[in-house]
Amino acid sequence: QQKVQQSPESLIVPEGGMASLNCTSSDRNVDYFWWYRQHSGKSPKMLMSIFSNGEKEEGRFTVHLNKASLHTSLHIRDSQPSDSALYLCAASMESGGSNAKLTFGKGTKLSVKS
Amino acid sequence: DTTVKQNPRYKLARVGKPVNLICSQTMNHDTMYWYQKKPNQAPKLLLFYYDKILNREADTFEKFQSSRPNNSFCSLYIGSAGLEYSAMYLCASSRDWGNQDTQYFGPGTRLLVL
Repeated sequence: QQKVQQSPESLIVPEGGMASLNCTSSDRNVDYFWWYRQHSGKSPKMLMSIFSNGEKEEGRFTVHLNKASLHTSLHIRDSQPSDSALYLCAASMESGGSNAKLTFGKGTKLSVKS
Repeated sequence: DTTVKQNPRYKLARVGKPVNLICSQTMNHDTMYWYQKKPNQAPKLLLFYYDKILNREADTFEKFQSSRPNNSFCSLYIGSAGLEYSAMYLCASSRDWGNQDTQYFGPGTRLLVL
């Protein structure tokens, strides 16, 4: 059973549209969530992280976290073809040390069509 | 510069033969990680070094070894490759061992075992 579930598996949005990606952890010990973006043939790069309840916005990207439900979502407004990539969600624990390791989901493949 | 380098980028190995993958970073990061990623699966943590201390995941403990001769380099060693080792191997590093430290990934080594 995958501890970090992402949905949808794939998503197609028109250029200029809104993309919404979801991620939920089944491990109640996690505290922090990370979103990584991986373009084809490239290394995953950290896009946004969120450690407390609420919302965080950086440019066209907004991330939400509900710690009670261990659910995070990533929203991309005004989507661009360059946003087409695999988006990986990861979770980690507050306790740090060996528990600071990231547990990843399978990812959501986003395609932005012009 | 947040570059993590991996060599080789592609590796073809024969069943039963050893495989050695190399990772390097020049960010003076204390922690280095190795992940295995197979198609349509989440990246799976294999092991990580915090400074000179090696931590291996329980379910892959006997399958992979690693060494870190200095702060910049880390290797992943497979003593006898099997078909099931065919995967992308991602190396990552982080500044510390903390729960809020971003992990920076390399481009990966694609291993094919025949």
